[in-house]
Amino acid sequence: QSALTQPASVSGSPGQSITISCTGSSSDVGAFNYVSWYQQHPGKVPKLIIHEVTNRPSGVSNRFSGSKSGNTASLTISGLQAEDEADYYCSSYTSSYTLVFGGGTKLTVL
Amino acid sequence: QVQLVQSGAEVRKPGASVKVSCKASGYTFSNHFIYWVRQAPGQGLHWMGVINPSDGTTTYAQRFQGRLIMTGDTSTSTVYMELNSLRSEDTAVYYCGRMNYFYSVDVWGQGTTVTVSS
Repeated sequence: QSALTQPASVSGSPGQSITISCTGSSSDVGAFNYVSWYQQHPGKVPKLIIHEVTNRPSGVSNRFSGSKSGNTASLTISGLQAEDEADYYCSSYTSSYTLVFGGGTKLTVL
Repeated sequence: QVQLVQSGAEVRKPGASVKVSCKASGYTFSNHFIYWVRQAPGQGLHWMGVINPSDGTTTYAQRFQGRLIMTGDTSTSTVYMELNSLRSEDTAVYYCGRMNYFYSVDVWGQGTTVTVSS
C-alpha cells in the first residue's frame, strides 16, 4: 500500500488561510469517507483534528476544516496562528482493511 | 481520564526481538480497536497494524507480515506489539492508539523509542 501523497511543505502568514492536499486512489481516499487529519508538533504525540473527512473532535478549533473530492482530500486552516506551525498528516482506510498515512506536510507560519 | 501508557525505551541488536506494551485505562478496553503506528527519526507516520482487544483478531500491514505479532490481555487492559528480526531501519518511536469514530486515532500512547544498533 503506497503512502498517500501530500506536499512536503506549505507556508502562510498569520491570518491567512492555507490548504493541504492528500491524494490517494480509488482504493482508499476515493472509496471511503474515512479520511482523518492529525497535527504533530515537534517531539509531541499526534493529535486528531479531523475525522471522517469533515468532522472535528470536541475541542478542536473551527479554524480547521476538511473536504474531499474524488481521490483527493484537503485540510484547510483559516486565520493562521503561530501555534499552527506543525506537521500535518492525513490517513485513510483502505479496501484492504488497512490504514495508510500520507507522507506529512510541514506547515510554516511566516 | 482516557489514556494509553506504553512501556519504556528499548535498545536491541540486529536480529533480536522487541515487545512493547500499551496499557489502557479510563474506558471499556474491549470496545475499541488498538492501532500501532511507528515513526522513524525525522520521518512520517506509518501504520503497522490493528488488534481487536475483545477477540484478539489482528490485521497487519503487508510490509510487517511474518515479523509482527500483536496480542491483547483483557484482564489487564493491555495490548502488546512484538516485532522480530529487527534491523536498523526499525529504529523508531512506536505508538499505540485507540481507534474511535471510523478508523481514526483519538487517543495516543506517549510513544516508545526502539533503537536497533549493533
